[in-house]
This record gives sequence, structure tokens and C-alpha cells, in this order.
Amino acid sequence: DTEVTQTPKHLVMGMTNKKSLKCEQHMGHRAMYWYKQKAKKPPELMFVYSYEKLSINESVPSRFSPECPNSSLLNLHLHALQPEDSALYLCASSRQGTAASGNTIYFGEGSWLTVV
Amino acid sequence: RKEVEQDPGPFNVPEGATVAFNCTYSNSASQSFFWYRQDCRKEPKLLMSVYSSGNEDGRFTAQLNRASQYISLLIRDSKLSDSATYLCVVNMNTGFQKLVFGTGTRLLVSP
Repeated sequence: DTEVTQTPKHLVMGMTNKKSLKCEQHMGHRAMYWYKQKAKKPPELMFVYSYEKLSINESVPSRFSPECPNSSLLNLHLHALQPEDSALYLCASSRQGTAASGNTIYFGEGSWLTVV
Repeated sequence: RKEVEQDPGPFNVPEGATVAFNCTYSNSASQSFFWYRQDCRKEPKLLMSVYSSGNEDGRFTAQLNRASQYISLLIRDSKLSDSATYLCVVNMNTGFQKLVFGTGTRLLVSP
């Protein structure tokens, strides 16, 4: 079982709604990530947080707003999404944020988002 | 050229067969390499890291050729439970971890 916990597992929201996805890990990892995965496509990186600071933003639209309240928690705030934003949103964590040997990234089970 | 390229398959093999997946990557400065496995509607899970000297974990063998920017995964004695999508993953050399996934190769093992 994954040690990265994501809630909710499923979310349906309207285009005018505001909702949040939540992610939690208790492995003492200092880097956390959001990935987006569309059907039959590979995961694509959205954001990287290292030591609670945003390190990478892959030119993600501002309707997605990440937040890292502490080293164990990562949120993704959603507002004014479009139907094409429907996807699996995967949270992940690793011991560090740098590309060091042995710095394995562990994924949560994901949150399935449907925008109607 | 895509950053990480894989044959999408599907590869249909009988139980007990040996199957090989290949992957190429474009960034010669890439630092680390992995194979992840993803089951239908599940999260990706690390199968194994790939080291320059090649490495083996039970029925799975991974190889890396830095000169050719080529990664491979060999599965021996395939089991039904090996049916999944296998994702070649490259950690780009950006300082911070940036995993780039290939499109994945789907494996179907049949009785």
C-alpha cells in the first residue's frame, strides 16, 4: 500500500466550483509533487515543492493553485476548471527534491477529477 | 523528438515467455533512470531503478546504454500478474527532480 494518501479519490465539479485536492505523507520526505495523467497518456509533471517552497511550475494555468502548508501536506486548489482538465491527479513524494541517486519518488493512488 | 520514447505495444505473450521492452531518451545529461509499472486505473509503482552496470531483480533485468541513450527491461518467465503498462522514466538533469515518463508499453500475458 502506498504511504502517500490522497483525498478525495473521486471528485466531480462544475466549471464554476472551487474545490481542493489533498495529499499527505508521513515518510519525512521533503519534496512533494503534483502530476496530471489523462487517459492512455503518461503522467505529466505540474509542480514540485522542495522544503515547502515551490521549485518547479511547469507552466500550469493559474486555475490550478498548489499549496504546501507543511512538509507533510500538499494541496491543489481548483477554480474555474474546464472539462479538458478532467484527469487523474497524482501526488508524489521523495526524500529530497534533487535528482540524487536513490531518491525514489513514491506516488499516491490519485484523485480522479471530472469537470462537468 | 520526444524526451522519452517507447513502443506502445501491446505485447501479447504466453505465460513463461521472455519479453523485452526498449526505451530511448533525448537528454544526454539525464541522471537517473527507472522502470515503473502501472496497472489499469492505478498509480505508477516503481519496478526498479536502472544502473549503468545493469541490474537484476528476480525475473527482471534492466540495462542502460548511456552512449546510445537507450534503456531496456527484460522480463523472464512471464506471469499473468505481469500484465500491466510498463513506463520508462528518466530523471532530467534540472537540479530538482523532474521525472519524464515515456508513453508506456502495454504487456498482456495470457494463459
